[in-house]
Amino acid sequence: ETGVTQSPTHLIKTRGQQVTLRCSSQSGHNTVSWYQQALGQGPQFIFQYYREEENGRGNFPPRFSGLQFPNYSSELNVNALELDDSALYLCASSFIQGRETQYFGPGTRLLVL
Amino acid sequence: AQSVAQPEDQVNVAEGNPLTVKCTYSVSGNPYLFWYVQYPNRGLQFLLKYITGDNLVKGSYGFEAEFNKSQTSFHLKKPSALVSDSALYFCAVRDEAAGNKLTFGGGTRVLVKP
Repeated sequence: ETGVTQSPTHLIKTRGQQVTLRCSSQSGHNTVSWYQQALGQGPQFIFQYYREEENGRGNFPPRFSGLQFPNYSSELNVNALELDDSALYLCASSFIQGRETQYFGPGTRLLVL
Repeated sequence: AQSVAQPEDQVNVAEGNPLTVKCTYSVSGNPYLFWYVQYPNRGLQFLLKYITGDNLVKGSYGFEAEFNKSQTSFHLKKPSALVSDSALYFCAVRDEAAGNKLTFGGGTRVLVKP
């Protein structure tokens, strides 16, 4: 098991609501990346945070936003939830250097009804 | 833009036989290549990576992968598969010129039969 933790493990929301997912990075890591994994697909990059600022973003709308805190933990916020937002949300921590491995947490499974 | 293709949705193999999971990639710069495994209702577990150097990379649980630049491939292999290797395998690439974003393939389900 990696040292990356995520909460909650499961979540059910209704369309239009807002959700916050949390991630604690592995000790010593300074970068957090978030991915969305829809059922039967590979993970899709949402964004990455380094030094409390967004450091790259995938093809996701602005209603997906994030934060990184001084202790390198992170939050993913999704506003105005849509049915298609139902997915497993994965957080990964690493060092900022590109050669470094990203280590994933267990994920948060979000169901939007 | 970077991309990854895993041409097989599922690979079936008998326990004790060699296992190969195929991956091809496309990047504009130098590739950093990764393999992850996912068990049901779990996150991704890192297996191995190629950054530079020897084209044959050895990783966890007896897995290895061979980087082939001319064929832009990074196939995952295991000489003797175990039933416990049954899982979902993902190949991923990071383009050195495109930041720290990981791009994943669609995944290959491996089923090892006793």
